Order: sequence, then C-alpha cells, then structure tokens
Amino acid sequence: AQSVTQPDIHITVSEGASLELRCNYSYGATPYLFWYVQSPGQGLQLLLKYFSGDTLVQGIKGFEAEFKRSQSSFNLRKPSVHWSDAAEYFCAVGATDSNYQLIWGAGTKLIIKP
Amino acid sequence: DVKVTQSSRYLVKRTGEKVFLECVQDMDHENMFWYRQDPGLGLRLIYFSYDVKMKEKGDIPEGYSVSREKKERFSLILESASTNQTSMYLCASSPANYNEQFFGPGTRLTVL
Repeated sequence: AQSVTQPDIHITVSEGASLELRCNYSYGATPYLFWYVQSPGQGLQLLLKYFSGDTLVQGIKGFEAEFKRSQSSFNLRKPSVHWSDAAEYFCAVGATDSNYQLIWGAGTKLIIKP
Repeated sequence: DVKVTQSSRYLVKRTGEKVFLECVQDMDHENMFWYRQDPGLGLRLIYFSYDVKMKEKGDIPEGYSVSREKKERFSLILESASTNQTSMYLCASSPANYNEQFFGPGTRLTVL
C-alpha cells in the first residue's frame, strides 16, 4: 500500500535561515508528488507538484523540492525563511489506482524564531 | 480564479443534532472530497465523490454520510453529532483523472 512519511512533527528555524522539510513515500511506480501549505485556521494551498521531467521543481513563495527516486524522497527546501512561512506543511502522493485520491503525510509544523 | 467555498467557518452544535456541512466548487470538477483534520493525525478522508450521485467511502466514514445532487455541491452530513466529531472539516475538489486537489477554507465544528 502507498504511504507517505513526514518524520518531523515540528521544526523550528530562525528567520533568515535555510529550511528543509523531509518527505518519504512508498509507491511502486513513478509517483505524482505534492507539497501543500496550511496557514493557521485556513485550508490547504498547493506549493508545488512533480509529475515528470526535471527532478528539481520550483513552487510558489520561493520554495523548491527535489524528487530523488533512489531515496524515495521529495524534500521541500527554502534558502531563507520569513516569519510568514510559519505554517503546517503537508506532503502527498497521488494514488492513480484509486480514483485519483491523495495519500497524505501527517504534516510538519514550521515554527519561525525571530 | 478557482474557488471552493464552505458554508461555515465555525459551527457549534449539540450532541445528537443533525449537522449539514456544505461545499461548493465553481471549477466544474468531477471529483469532490471531504476530509477531517485533527492535530497529529493529518488529513483523513471521510468520503469522496467522482460524479453526481456517486460516492465512495474513505478511511473513516462511520458516523457520516454525504450527498451530491449537483456537480458543484457536495454535502457532508452528521446524522447524530457526537463530541468525538469535534474537528476541522476540509472540502476539496479535483478534475477527473487528475490528482491535484483544490481546498476550501475549512469548517471548524465543535460538538458540545
């Protein structure tokens, strides 16, 4: 069965520092991969997605993610975080064999230190 | 701009009440989803629908039902609300044969 693991429940980063959020997945074929962000009290917004092609994907708000097939990973990165990046981040894998549902990670809460 | 709207941002109900959560999308999407979100548990799928009048159970359908009479509208029904259904409820939609989902702002339901 497909699964998505986000090993870090919380991450604290100083403003201006770099960020990497980890995501590992279990899936037999080349997956469709997504990162979403949820600001407090809000719905989820798509940051970026990978379907095929270049394994380094650029998203909104200065985020990028790299698909590494050998490591079954799709880690999210940002070179310099801003206080407004404080939010919860969710990684998801597309389940193409089940009416195009998404399989979700448990989320990583990002805390920004001033 | 694509839009998914949910009828209420905050809702307070009493145990045993019948509760309706409404979701409307204006993108002509075939698929619609209801999730429940609780701290530390991520998003859990309650029900989804891939066409009008069609529905399938997700991971946690117990205590819930859904209705999709029109393509743009997907309703979640709590037949008899219980305190353990206090949660954030998120609606999403996606085009047919496509994984990317578009989310509404969520409804925070409290059952007293």
